[in-house]
Amino acid sequence: DTEVTQTPKHLVMGMTNKKSLKCEQHMGHRAMYWYKQKAKKPPELMFVYSYEKLSINESVPSRFSPECPNSSLLNLHLHALQPEDSALYLCASSLGQGAGTGELFFGEGSRLTVL
Amino acid sequence: AQTVTQSQPEMSVQEAETVTLSCTYDTSENNYYLFWYKQPPSRQMILVIRQEAYKQQNATENRFSVNFQKAAKSFSLKISDSQLGDTAMYFCAFGLYNNNDMRFGAGTRLTVKP
Repeated sequence: DTEVTQTPKHLVMGMTNKKSLKCEQHMGHRAMYWYKQKAKKPPELMFVYSYEKLSINESVPSRFSPECPNSSLLNLHLHALQPEDSALYLCASSLGQGAGTGELFFGEGSRLTVL
Repeated sequence: AQTVTQSQPEMSVQEAETVTLSCTYDTSENNYYLFWYKQPPSRQMILVIRQEAYKQQNATENRFSVNFQKAAKSFSLKISDSQLGDTAMYFCAFGLYNNNDMRFGAGTRLTVKP
């Protein structure tokens, strides 16, 4: 199994809603990531969980909240989002800490629209 | 800080021909890795090829090969015998040995024409 599974594939929410994006992998990877990708742009790193330790991109607003229940699951909780947060949210995983452990495996993404 | 530059926003190639995508990067580190990722329209991003900086030999994967020029900090991707399924956005990426913050270039949109 070399898949990273993301749900839902599409999400539409209002600015007052609370929703969550989910990501799962069963490759035994110990690092999981959330990336944000705007149209025709490269992915931007939001959060990394590596060996259950969280690293944050300081520019990510607090209305995004990651959660890692275990090493196979990664959630992204969304609250009070803005229309400019509309984007493709990509989950990825890698074997361990750093590029030396191998490449990133990406999910198909969750396309978020904030109205 | 590491930066990755892809200077070709869009490229096109005829089916069965060869195309080269350019990538340059900037780093003061010695222990790093370079990647090319492919993102087809509405499909997930997948790894095309990976190069370890400490290896002088250029990586190859079937029709895909790289020209890694460490001194020039250049990492181009050559696609031979282009196929329609190669149509995608291609991202060059840089990663450090023990750091999870992979840096992506702006991407090159490649269209393979029949």
